[in-house]
Amino acid sequence: NAGVTQTPKFRVLKTGQSMTLLCAQDMNHEYMYWYRQDPGMGLRLIHYSVGEGTTAKGEVPDGYNVSRLKKQNFLLGLESAAPSQTSVYFCASSPTGTGPEKLFFGSGTQLSVL
Amino acid sequence: DQQVKQNSPSLSVQEGRISILNCDYTNSMFDYFLWYKKYPAEGPTFLISISSIKDKNEDGRFTVFLNKSAKHLSLHIVPSQPGDSAVYFCAASSGYSTLTFGKGTMLLVSP
Repeated sequence: NAGVTQTPKFRVLKTGQSMTLLCAQDMNHEYMYWYRQDPGMGLRLIHYSVGEGTTAKGEVPDGYNVSRLKKQNFLLGLESAAPSQTSVYFCASSPTGTGPEKLFFGSGTQLSVL
Repeated sequence: DQQVKQNSPSLSVQEGRISILNCDYTNSMFDYFLWYKKYPAEGPTFLISISSIKDKNEDGRFTVFLNKSAKHLSLHIVPSQPGDSAVYFCAASSGYSTLTFGKGTMLLVSP
């Protein structure tokens, strides 16, 4: 039971470099999310998707792009990394996204931008 | 403006005693509340939830209480165990909205 898998687990970037974080879920969930966790800031939603081919902005979308070409995958891209994007990134999924529903999280990606 | 507030960054409790984690919210449209638990180097995992039509939900050692008039909920862990040491996030949603998380409370249960 893989659940939600994130790759890579760790990454160090230089300012201005680009990268893509991959999230894959094997639960056939419709909704997928990208969060970032910073000390003292909790979990903040970056972007989310309500189904294959759809994306929507969350609370802190600037500097990030996402794509959901396949139902099971949700990619988070940083086109030009900045030190402010140093964070732990979590992907999550849920069956339908309606209110009374829990999210399933991946184990996170620790990203450092120097 | 922070809609879900966890005002205690940390809490220390002795093993066997009760742990009480608090959460306040400002959005009166929130109708579903969840608690997530997070260990270091792992993703958050769902712990317990409560709908706004209830004022209490219990699951083993974990009980969540909801006071809608005060816009306050609390998570009680009885008895606390060292394995409960983790960061606890409160989250809320309304209808079809995405979850809004609090900043988290780090619980340390000492033997």
